[in-house]
Amino acid sequence: GIQVEQSPPDLILQEGANSTLRCNFSDSVNNLQWFHQNPWGQLINLFYIPSGTKQNGRLSATTVATERYSLLYISSSQTTDSGVYFCAAGPNFNKFYFGSGTKLNVKP
Amino acid sequence: DAGVIQSPRHEVTEMGQEVTLRCKPISGHDYLFWYRQTMMRGLELLIYFNNNVPIDDSGMPEDRFSAKMPNASFSTLKIQPSEPRDSAVYFCASSPSIDTQYFGPGTRLTVL
Repeated sequence: GIQVEQSPPDLILQEGANSTLRCNFSDSVNNLQWFHQNPWGQLINLFYIPSGTKQNGRLSATTVATERYSLLYISSSQTTDSGVYFCAAGPNFNKFYFGSGTKLNVKP
Repeated sequence: DAGVIQSPRHEVTEMGQEVTLRCKPISGHDYLFWYRQTMMRGLELLIYFNNNVPIDDSGMPEDRFSAKMPNASFSTLKIQPSEPRDSAVYFCASSPSIDTQYFGPGTRLTVL
């Protein structure tokens, strides 16, 4: 399957700071998603973004499919942004592979 | 809507026993996913249903795993017989379209 690598593995921020999380994938994809898992284990689907740019409030994502990477931007971070951010990439909607995640800790 | 409902929330069983995990998707959602999360393997997509029909089960780890969706409001993931390496958190998610998913709280399975 497609190899998905995320960086950095860990990130500590002060509240209010901005951050960029990266996802590299090993092959062309038609499915690229970002997820957030909060410290209590709940998963949320943030973006479905096989190409282009999307924004949702303080979060935005960009995927450059031709160069096989996607970026997740978090602006003005809040403590509620803490948790693990996962990228998943795959050839189609029903087949995708997760990266190992970026663990974010936002300190007040 | 109450969101995606999974039961039980926690399950502890002995090796060799049959385990059945249940999921009630959000009404009106045509897509349903089962995932597994472990420390060793991370998050994995196990199987995907569209309109109650399994579309891709290539992520199911072994023949001991089976999933069904007898109707639009209910799905099960069964492990028979269970093994200690099946211990994980199992998530169900439903979706009205290809660009979003709504996850249940997960079932934490421990196989002794």
